Parts: sequence; structure tokens; C-alpha cells
Amino acid sequence: KQEVTQIPAALSVPEGENLVLNCSFTDSAIYNLQWFRQDPGKGLTSLLLIQSSQREQTSGRLNASLDKSSGRSTLYIAASQPGDSATYLCAVSGNQFYFGTGTSLTVIP
Amino acid sequence: ETGVTQTPRHLVMGMTNKKSLKCEQHLGHNAMYWYKQSAKKPLELMFVYSLEERVENNSVPSRFSPECPNSSHLFLHLHTLQPEDSALYLCASSLTPGTTYNEQFFGPGTRLTVL
Repeated sequence: KQEVTQIPAALSVPEGENLVLNCSFTDSAIYNLQWFRQDPGKGLTSLLLIQSSQREQTSGRLNASLDKSSGRSTLYIAASQPGDSATYLCAVSGNQFYFGTGTSLTVIP
Repeated sequence: ETGVTQTPRHLVMGMTNKKSLKCEQHLGHNAMYWYKQSAKKPLELMFVYSLEERVENNSVPSRFSPECPNSSHLFLHLHTLQPEDSALYLCASSLTPGTTYNEQFFGPGTRLTVL
């Protein structure tokens, strides 16, 4: 069974810092990997989707990479802002979707 | 606004009640999903419908009963729930399951409390 792990579980950084969130998965037979953001008590907002044949995707200050052979993905956030504070989840898509438990990010003004 | 709506947003029910959660997607997608999110746990996939046919049922207790009358609407019927069923229930939709560009879009969720 696919297992998805996200490290760290929580992260607190001062405003303006660049940061990296990590996601690892055990089965490399995936269709894609998706990064989401979740604000407290809310649904998930899709940030980036990386297809299995791709190495990275960029959207604004966000850059996500995928190394399928090693079972790893990173989400890079440049010049962090207080509005980036949220929980970030990664999900891999195989015969179904598997989610990690997320990284709770706090950006301190 | 993701194009996926859920009602109600909050629900409190007793263990003997019967209630239903509703999800609607306005994205023209072919697949819809129900997830359960409990504190400190990964999202748990409950049900998947593709082209209105149920294709996945991850050993969910029978007190949860899904219904997908068409590709835009998904319901979750609830009866005789337990307090441990209290959670955030999320609905999602996607266009093309089983492909590399299958991207999920989520609704805002229904916060369910079972007394």
C-alpha cells in the first residue's frame, strides 16, 4: 500500500524567508503528485500538479519538484509571507489518491 | 471558489438521526469523491464515483451510504452514526481518473459533529 510522509510536521519561519517542504512516497508507480494548501476548517486548494513524466512545476513564488525514482517531492516557497500560513498537503495519484498528514506552516510577520 | 460546493457547512446530529450531505460540481468533471478528515490523520478516501458508477469503496461502514444521481451531484447519506464519525467531510471532483493530468478540486467541506 502506498504511504506518503511529510516532513516536517510543523514549521515556523520569519517573513521573507525561503523554505522547503518535503513529501516522500513508497511506491513510484504514480500518475502524478499534487500539492494542496488547507486553511483551518476549510477545504483544500490545489497549488500545483506534477505529472509523472515531469520534473517540476512553477506557479508564482511556488516551485514543486518531483523525483519519482527516489519517491520524493519538494515544495519551495520563495519570500514567504504571513498569508502563506496554512497546512500544506501532498497527494500522489495511483489507482487511488493517497495523502500525507501535512506540514503546518506559520510565517511570522 | 473551486467550482465544488458542499452543503451544509456545519451539521450537528444525534446518533439516531438520519441526515444527508450534498456536493455539487460545476466543472464538467466525470469523477467525484468523498473523503473523511480527522484530526492528526491523513485524508481517508471513502468513495469514488466515475461516470456515476461507484468504483471504489474503502471498507466504509454501512452507516455511510453514497448516492450519485448524475455526474454533477454526489450525496452522502448518514444514519445511526457514532461519535467517532465526527470529522470534516470533503467532496472532490476530477476530470479524467487514471491519467497523469487528473487533478482534484475540493469543496469547502462539511464539519460534522455526532453527539
